[in-house]
Amino acid sequence: DIVMTQSPDSLAVSLGERATINCKSSQSVLHSSDNKNRLVWYQQKPGQPPKLLIYWASTRESGVPDRFSGSGSGTDFTLTISSLQAEDVAVYYCQQHYTFPLTFGGGTKVEIK
Amino acid sequence: EVQLVESGGGLVNPGGSLRLSCEASGFTYSNAWMNWVRQAPGKGLEWVGRIKSETNGGTVEYAESVKGRFTISRDDSKNTLFLQMNSLRAEDTAVYYCARHGVFGNTLYGIFDCWGQGTLVTVSS
Repeated sequence: DIVMTQSPDSLAVSLGERATINCKSSQSVLHSSDNKNRLVWYQQKPGQPPKLLIYWASTRESGVPDRFSGSGSGTDFTLTISSLQAEDVAVYYCQQHYTFPLTFGGGTKVEIK
Repeated sequence: EVQLVESGGGLVNPGGSLRLSCEASGFTYSNAWMNWVRQAPGKGLEWVGRIKSETNGGTVEYAESVKGRFTISRDDSKNTLFLQMNSLRAEDTAVYYCARHGVFGNTLYGIFDCWGQGTLVTVSS
């Protein structure tokens, strides 16, 4: 199984400041057929289901604010919130869909400092 | 509007059974590949399993933790996904979500672009 490891477990950021979340996979999730990373980011707010934020490691889902960006390739990925807003308080998960079983990172809780 | 609505959760004794349903609307359900994902209280997300569309063979994949105990099926005439859970254990206690494989460039991928609100299953005596 591909193990997804997120860091940190939690972080507190001031409003308007940058938040950076890391995700590392135990093997590469870059697919040679199309050179796309099978890496997704979700946002989960309290009491709600997860919401798709970013796929192919760096493509924002329709409607997602451009303060959210994803980067990385192979085994190392980053989700950045460029200017944290109050509504961004949530837990963020990465997930790989390179192979079964589909696996998620443990989550990173983002709070306001 | 694309919508997934789960039902069937509740309290069940260890060793018992429960059947969850997920009713879909707002999209062509028969073409969709569907998943179950669970989340134990205060914990992260765990993929449970996926079923392909019938036109793609209806093949099912399961996580090792549920293989042999859980069965995923679908009824396209009712736009409904099912999760039959047998031999339930305390560690199966979780909110169970159904989620849809997204379609990107006419291809289905394990990118969950639509989720239900979830249904809580509690396994306890």
